[in-house]
Amino acid sequence: GQQVMQIPQYQHVQEGEDFTTYCNSSTTLSNIQWYKQRPGGHPVFLIQLVKSGEVKKQKRLTFQFGEAKKNSSLHITATQTTDVGTYFCAGAGANNLFFGTGTRLTVIP
Amino acid sequence: EPEVTQTPSHQVTQMGQEVILRCVPISNHLYFYWYRQILGQKVEFLVSFYNNEISEKSEIFDDQFSVERPDGSNFTLKIRSTKLEDSAMYFCASSDAGVEQFFGPGTRLTVL
Repeated sequence: GQQVMQIPQYQHVQEGEDFTTYCNSSTTLSNIQWYKQRPGGHPVFLIQLVKSGEVKKQKRLTFQFGEAKKNSSLHITATQTTDVGTYFCAGAGANNLFFGTGTRLTVIP
Repeated sequence: EPEVTQTPSHQVTQMGQEVILRCVPISNHLYFYWYRQILGQKVEFLVSFYNNEISEKSEIFDDQFSVERPDGSNFTLKIRSTKLEDSAMYFCASSDAGVEQFFGPGTRLTVL
């Protein structure tokens, strides 16, 4: 079955440092979504990428979809304490989402 | 801002008992989903529902699970005979065009 892996599993950064999480799928994806889950919270949609090589930015967040549409990354510039949480990529099927394993980000003030 | 709601927030049950988890999706959404998340793990797809029928289900969604949309607002997940390994957070989600999914706050199910 489809597997979506993310690395690293955990990341601790000092506030102000950058952060990157990488997402790799065992199969080619039609599109990929990114979600953020705060501690004790529920997943919240961040963005969807559809095109090969696509790059999208949301303020300090930069999302990239690989040329082969099998990998993706999320980069946060100058992290803030409000960035804490687990970041999940999710391969979007016709009627479902296959979530990646997630990267838990801790930001040390 | 419209949001997905779920009840109860926490359900404790004995192994073998039936539970019904309830969700009220965003009113104009047409696609509904259930996911579960075992503590500290990833979010796992269970089932999707559209036009009053199941669109897709995962291997987890076996004969012990069922979903229903009993009226125009509620969307329920029933587990007939709960097992210890069913303990997890269950999230309901809805979407309008099948792109962005809006998740509810979840129901934490504890099976003793």
